[in-house]
Amino acid sequence: AQSVSQHNHHVILSEAASLELGCNYSYGGTVNLFWYVQYPGQHLQLLLKYFSGDPLVKGIKGFEAEFIKSKFSFNLRKPSVQWSDTAEYFCAVHAGNNRKLIWGLGTSLAVNP
Amino acid sequence: DAGVTQSPTHLIKTRGQQVTLRCSPKSGHDTVSWYQQALGQGPQFIFQYYEEEERQRGNFPDRFSGHQFPNYSSELNVNALLLGDSALYLCASNLGTSDSNEQFFGPGTRLTVL
Repeated sequence: AQSVSQHNHHVILSEAASLELGCNYSYGGTVNLFWYVQYPGQHLQLLLKYFSGDPLVKGIKGFEAEFIKSKFSFNLRKPSVQWSDTAEYFCAVHAGNNRKLIWGLGTSLAVNP
Repeated sequence: DAGVTQSPTHLIKTRGQQVTLRCSPKSGHDTVSWYQQALGQGPQFIFQYYEEEERQRGNFPDRFSGHQFPNYSSELNVNALLLGDSALYLCASNLGTSDSNEQFFGPGTRLTVL
């Protein structure tokens, strides 16, 4: 069965620290990859997405992610986090012709000022 | 440009009751998907509607049913509520003919079953 795993469930960082959140998926075919963010009290918002082309994609608020097909990974990165990045981060995958998004369990990020 | 809207925002029901949740898609979108997000979990796909028909369904029992109207808005119905149905129910919309598959989410309806 197709699945998405996020390696870190809870991450605590200080401001200006670098961030990397891991995401791996299980599907051997074509995928569309997404990172969504859910700020406290707000709804899910798209951070960035990969469909094809350059495997390094840049999203909003200084986030980027790299698609490594050989590792079935799509890790999220940010060089310097801010307190306002405190949120829940979700990795999601569209696999092949499947119309549903398959989600990871999410990573809760807390950034201390 | 109106985004995805959902109603109500919160709902409290008792076991055995029935509930209807509503969703209006983002302007220009014709496809609506419903997800259940339990506390501390990622969203789980319930089903997707396109052209007023259920196009795909996740692993949810028949107690969960839906409908899409000609104006693309949608309803999620849950019968015979169980305590375990307590969750945030998310609606997402996209343009069904688009290659992007990017879904836009509403704020959700928080359902509590007592």
